[in-house]
Amino acid sequence: DTEVTQTPKHLVMGMTNKKSLKCEQHMGHRAMYWYKQKAKKPPELMFVYSYEKLSINESVPSRFSPECPNSSLLNLHLHALQPEDSALYLCASSQGLAVPSGANVLTFGAGSRLTVL
Amino acid sequence: GQNIDQPTEMTATEGAIVQINCTYQTSGFNGLFWYQQHAGEAPTFLSYNVLDGLEEKGRFSSFLSRSKGYSYLLLKELQMKDSASYLCAVSGDRGSTLGRLYFGRGTQLTVWP
Repeated sequence: DTEVTQTPKHLVMGMTNKKSLKCEQHMGHRAMYWYKQKAKKPPELMFVYSYEKLSINESVPSRFSPECPNSSLLNLHLHALQPEDSALYLCASSQGLAVPSGANVLTFGAGSRLTVL
Repeated sequence: GQNIDQPTEMTATEGAIVQINCTYQTSGFNGLFWYQQHAGEAPTFLSYNVLDGLEEKGRFSSFLSRSKGYSYLLLKELQMKDSASYLCAVSGDRGSTLGRLYFGRGTQLTVWP
């Protein structure tokens, strides 16, 4: 299995809703990432987990709450979002932060397209 | 800070060769990646350079000059399916940049028949 699976593919939510995005990989990767991508823009890093511990938080607002229940799963909990949070949310995984960067190639999921009304 | 620059758009015809340039100024450097992203899809890995020189992989080649902070992606024998955005990304090497992949804005390549 060489894939990163993200669900749901599409999500529409109101500003008062609580929802979650889910990500799964079975490649034995020990680093997992959340990126946010707006149309015609590059992916922007949000969070990095290394060995199930939060390693990087790029000053993301608290209405986004990541969770890594185990080495294969990564969630992003959403609460009280704003319309400007509408974007494609990409999950990625890699072997790990301590390996040489050439071996630390990111494998991306297909993304969850979020629309906040 | 991190600054990665690449052209916004390029066009070429089927069968031609195109070179997409990327310049970077980053506080740490641990390799440069090129990713391809079709509209509405996930980025997929194309190539990696950490030492100066050319890496060839089929129709795609990537070049790096660390002293110049410069890379290019060369696509030969262009096909319609090569129409996509090409993202240059630099990997951080230590401290606060470790684990970070800094992306350029992407170059949207359109291949015409």
